[in-house]
Amino acid sequence: AQTVTQSQPEMSVQEAETVTLSCTYDTSESDYYLFWYKQPPSRQMILVIRQEAYKQQNATENRFSVNFQKAAKSFSLKISDSQLGDAAMYFCAYRIFLQGGSEKLVFGKGTKLTVNP
Amino acid sequence: NAGVTQTPKFRILKIGQSMTLQCTQDMNHNYMYWYRQDPGMGLKLIYYSVGAGITDKGEVPNGYNVSRSTTEDFPLRLELAAPSQTSVYFCASSYSQGPQETQYFGPGTRLLVL
Repeated sequence: AQTVTQSQPEMSVQEAETVTLSCTYDTSESDYYLFWYKQPPSRQMILVIRQEAYKQQNATENRFSVNFQKAAKSFSLKISDSQLGDAAMYFCAYRIFLQGGSEKLVFGKGTKLTVNP
Repeated sequence: NAGVTQTPKFRILKIGQSMTLQCTQDMNHNYMYWYRQDPGMGLKLIYYSVGAGITDKGEVPNGYNVSRSTTEDFPLRLELAAPSQTSVYFCASSYSQGPQETQYFGPGTRLLVL
């Protein structure tokens, strides 16, 4: 079964500090893609960062970076210099391919991040 | 370029009523998806489409129907609404399944069935 586990239902961080959100996943495939999505109170899902499993180098997008450990099936998100606007639900997701050429994202249950001023 | 738009933003339905959730994308994407998000949970795939005229079931299709007559539109139909369908519904689209592709989400529709 394809599963994504986020073990931290809630996290908090002081503004300007660094926080790491955890994610583990279960797959038997060797080639896949991992994503972190941010969901602010507006409820829209916003892509934060993605990682291709065949790439050893960890993805980075400005203040957001990942620690991808393929053997351990771990995909954590690090947010540096946290800002008040980073407060949101964060979802880790794993992408699998379906018949017909389409795809499906398997989501974790999310981590609620609070940023304290 | 508005991306993925959804209407309505919020709706209250009585048990047994029907409604259609609208989804439109202006990015000329071939692939479109409907997800539902229950409180405290991640998203689950309801239906998806790989192009106009082609749809298929996702993980939780029961109680829903879809159609895809154009590339831009992918409406989700709820027949005989039930309290279990209270959820937030997200529409998403992607151009293809290539390694650089990702899904773009709409703002969501919150549905309450009483």
